[in-house]
Order: sequence, then C-alpha cells, then structure tokens
Amino acid sequence: AQSVSQHNHHVILSEAASLELGCNYSYGGTVNLFWYVQYPGQHLQLLLKYFSGDPLVKGIKGFEAEFIKSKFSFNLRKPSVQWSDTAEYFCAVNALGFGNEKLTFGTGTRLTIIP
Amino acid sequence: ETGVTQSPTHLIKTRGQQVTLRCSSQSGHNTVSWYQQALGQGPQFIFQYYREEENGRGNFPPRFSGLQFPNYSSELNVNALELDDSALYLCASSLAGRGSNTEAFFGQGTRHTVV
Repeated sequence: AQSVSQHNHHVILSEAASLELGCNYSYGGTVNLFWYVQYPGQHLQLLLKYFSGDPLVKGIKGFEAEFIKSKFSFNLRKPSVQWSDTAEYFCAVNALGFGNEKLTFGTGTRLTIIP
Repeated sequence: ETGVTQSPTHLIKTRGQQVTLRCSSQSGHNTVSWYQQALGQGPQFIFQYYREEENGRGNFPPRFSGLQFPNYSSELNVNALELDDSALYLCASSLAGRGSNTEAFFGQGTRHTVV
C-alpha cells in the first residue's frame, strides 16, 4: 500500500522568507501527486498537481513543486511567503492501477507566517 | 467555492447512535469519495462511489456504509457510533473513469462529535 510522509509538522517563517515543505511517498508504480492547502475554517483546495511530463509544476499563489522520481519526493516551494499563506498543507498521492482515484494524504504541515 | 456541498456542517451524536452525512457533488461529476480527518491528521480514505457502485474502500469497519444516488449525490452512514468516530468528514467529487487522471474537489466538511 502507498504511504506519504511529511517530515515538517509545524513550520514558522517570517514574511518574505523562502519556503520548502518536504513530501516523500512510498509506492513503486506510477503515481499522481498533489499538494492541497487548508486555510482555517475553509475546505481543502488544490495548490498544484503532477500527472506526467515536466517534473517542475507550478500552481496557484506562486507555489511550485518538483517531482524527483528517484527520491520518491514531491517537495513544495515558494520563494517568498506572505502572511496569508498561513494554513495547513497536505501532500497526497494517487497510485494508479487500482481502479479508483483514492488519495493517500500525509499528516500535514502547519505553516505559520509571522508578519 | 468548489460546488461540493455537505450537510450538516456540525453534528453532535451520542455513542451507540447512528448518523447520516450528505454530500452533493459538483455538477457533472460522477464520482464521490469520503474521507475522515481526525484532529491533527491528514484525511483518511473511507470509500468511493462511481456511478452508484462502491469503487474501493479504505481500512474502515462495515459499520461505515454509503450510497450514491442517480444524481451522483451521496450519503455516508455510520452505525454504533464510537468516541473515536469524532472527526471532520470530507466529501470529494470528481469526473472520472476508472483509473483515469483526475482532480478531486472537496466540500467544507461535516464536523462530527460523538459524546
């Protein structure tokens, strides 16, 4: 079965700092990869996704992520964070070939941006 | 807004009771998935419905059951409630064939407390 690890449980940064959140998954086959964000009191929103092609994907709000297949990683990055980026971030994987679009999520990283 | 609506938004039940949660999928979507998000955890896959049939199930006991209706809306039923069932329950809809690349859109969830 697939699993997802997010090693940073809580990250605190000042505004304008650069961000990198780690995500590793375990599954030997083909995967789709996602980053979701959950702002306080709001629903899960998709930040970006990787299905195939260019391993560097750009998402909304200036976020990007790089898929490194050899490292089973899909780290999220943003060059300069804003206070409004304060939220919970979840990495998720969909292992293809099981006949459904089940998402396996990591435990999440809480990001706090200090003005 | 994702177009996925869940009801109720909050719910309190007593241990041993039964609960029904509802989800209206985004227009045009044929697949609904349910997730349980315990406090401080990532969402855990409960099951998925595709064109009114169960299409995959996570590691949840049979007292968690579901339905999908011809209009693709869905219900999650939980019998014999336990205290550990207290969680945020998320519904996600997507337009999918089996095993295809797709993106899931989440509702705001039902905050369910068992006392």
